[in-house]
Amino acid sequence: GAGVSQSPSNKVTEKGKDVELRCDPISGHTALYWYRQRLGQGLEFLIYFQGNSAPDKSGLPSDRFSAERTGESVSTLTIQRTQQEDSAVYLCASSLYPKGELFFGEGSRLTVL
Amino acid sequence: ELKVEQNPLFLSMQEGKNYTIYCNYSTTSDRLYWYRQDPGKSLESLFVLLSNGAVKQEGRLMASLDTKARLSTLHITAAVHDLSATYFCAVDTGGAGGTSYGKLTFGQGTILTVHP
Repeated sequence: GAGVSQSPSNKVTEKGKDVELRCDPISGHTALYWYRQRLGQGLEFLIYFQGNSAPDKSGLPSDRFSAERTGESVSTLTIQRTQQEDSAVYLCASSLYPKGELFFGEGSRLTVL
Repeated sequence: ELKVEQNPLFLSMQEGKNYTIYCNYSTTSDRLYWYRQDPGKSLESLFVLLSNGAVKQEGRLMASLDTKARLSTLHITAAVHDLSATYFCAVDTGGAGGTSYGKLTFGQGTILTVHP
């Protein structure tokens, strides 16, 4: 596809369940980012991947959050034992190179009941 | 801790009027972004400002950067309804340990409503 693709677009889950969110970056983009946007707020950085380098996980809010990326392809963000405060839109972005312009996907809206 | 603050957070404008959104940030940075977000949609990049005194214009929007004052402005000229959206500024603070990549810290967003 032409843009960053995320799935699912909407996810409703019960507190305590695990969820997995997927991001398919723009082909050829080496850098991939996950951000979180809570209702009515700006975006919070979660994690950054660049090629095969060790990711920058400095924004992950707790050890319930983890993410993986294989090479320069798809990434998955996993949230274990979800809590209500995890409810947010999770946005993925990719860029052609580390300092390049970020292109955002449309996000995965997570609601934890 | 880096802070990025936008002002105002809510802006209701009449069509045809001018207004400015301000973005203050608390640390040095080599680039600043402005994004637009429509309800339920993702972010659309509007401007990237790379140096002190940089000014960029696209249609009715003009952005500027003063790195010494750590201030960016987004000026709206003769507003039209289609400009109604949320506008974010974001500061590139690089990665951990000074690594060079586009780790962005966002402002809270300014919700702009343009009405007749």
